[in-house]
Amino acid sequence: QVQLQESGPGLVKPSETLSLTCAVSGYSISSGYYWGWIRQPPGKGLEWIGSIYHSGSTYYNPSLKSRVTISVDTSKNQFSLKLSSVTAADTAVYYCARHSDYYDSNFNFDYWGQGTLVTVSS
Amino acid sequence: SSELTQDPAVSVALGQTVRITCQGDSLRSYYASWYQQKPGQAPVLVIYGKNNRPSGIPDRFSGSSSGNTASLTITGAQAEDEADYYCNSRDSSGNPWVFGGGTKLTVL
Repeated sequence: QVQLQESGPGLVKPSETLSLTCAVSGYSISSGYYWGWIRQPPGKGLEWIGSIYHSGSTYYNPSLKSRVTISVDTSKNQFSLKLSSVTAADTAVYYCARHSDYYDSNFNFDYWGQGTLVTVSS
Repeated sequence: SSELTQDPAVSVALGQTVRITCQGDSLRSYYASWYQQKPGQAPVLVIYGKNNRPSGIPDRFSGSSSGNTASLTITGAQAEDEADYYCNSRDSSGNPWVFGGGTKLTVL
């Protein structure tokens, strides 16, 4: 069974960098699929942040692209998110998820982590 | 604003059928996937592609599409189906990571 688990600080100060890691078990990242980050502000909907393939190819939400970096460590079977210059608007539950190939006509996010709340506050 | 539009809230009587819709120009060309999210939990994939259910999803959940509208139908809604439902598909550039605003389903 594929499992994803987010980890990282739950509180980040304004203007600093948010850093999260997603550990994957039950499936080798190097075997395929894409690995993404999605966030959900309290009481609001889902917003895709970006995704990475095991080769290191990345796709970012244009609205966040200037502040986002996603990387992968296949040796540890995990991938990471860095979001710089955070503000209160970045307060959200952050999920990591696995999704199918970019060109898949049946595109879907099939496995999700439980999510981690990150609050931006001084 | 999202390129996929959902009704904010829908209600259904226990055991009846309900359709949750998602509208967007990209849906004329691409399938949607659907996610169920209960309070405090991560989203769960319930429908993807033309009408595919992941293992473990009850067959009362089904998907369809017509024109610019994708639909998730629950036939014989159960109390445990009360949740938020999100659609996901592609934007006008073909990027597959757009979510609708979500629909809160209440089972009466």
